[in-house]
Amino acid sequence: TQLLEQSPQFLSIQEGENLTVYCNSSSVFSSLQWYRQEPGEGPVLLVTVVTGGEVKKLKRLTFQFGDARKDSSLHITAAQPGDTGLYLCAGEILGGTSYGKLTFGQGTILTVHP
Amino acid sequence: KAGVTQTPRYLIKTRGQQVTLSCSPISGHRSVSWYQQTPGQGLQFLFEYFSETQRNKGNFPGRFSGRQFSNSRSEMNVSTLELGDSALYLCASSLGQQRRTDTQYFGPGTRLTVL
Repeated sequence: TQLLEQSPQFLSIQEGENLTVYCNSSSVFSSLQWYRQEPGEGPVLLVTVVTGGEVKKLKRLTFQFGDARKDSSLHITAAQPGDTGLYLCAGEILGGTSYGKLTFGQGTILTVHP
Repeated sequence: KAGVTQTPRYLIKTRGQQVTLSCSPISGHRSVSWYQQTPGQGLQFLFEYFSETQRNKGNFPGRFSGRQFSNSRSEMNVSTLELGDSALYLCASSLGQQRRTDTQYFGPGTRLTVL
């Protein structure tokens, strides 16, 4: 059972389009991170959200944490070819023995065509 | 501040051999977590070390082990390698303070190929 369902798995769009990636769970997360990963490299942190309902903006990227802290979304406005990559959501499940353990979604492979 | 470093970056081994991977965390970080990334399973948690003690462990066989030194550097060992162990092995460091704002920062990974 995947604890973090990420969708869509693949996204192929043209430069200038908008897109949204979703991350959903039945579990409550104490915090949730979004990472971007290039081929052959480690994930690079984009943002951490910790408060239910929180919205964070990073240039053309907008991140939202659900009120119940069970879901999150990443919205990219006017996508550019440089946005191409694997986007991963990850979080620590609230409670239990979660020391240092991030649960990851399956990832979204985004391709932005010029 | 220097990021997380992992050595070696690439490794080729044959079945039955063993391998040791190294991770140096960000200065001041005391927690190191290890993950295995494969196309089929994605990123899966192996274990986490804090102050030289394993605090958490994922669902991997005993062939996967690790340790942490007093300077917070960590090593991961895989014995009796199998073809299915081919993967990108990632380590991540954090302060380990168990606060909601404590974020993990990843290294570039070690690409292990088992032939």
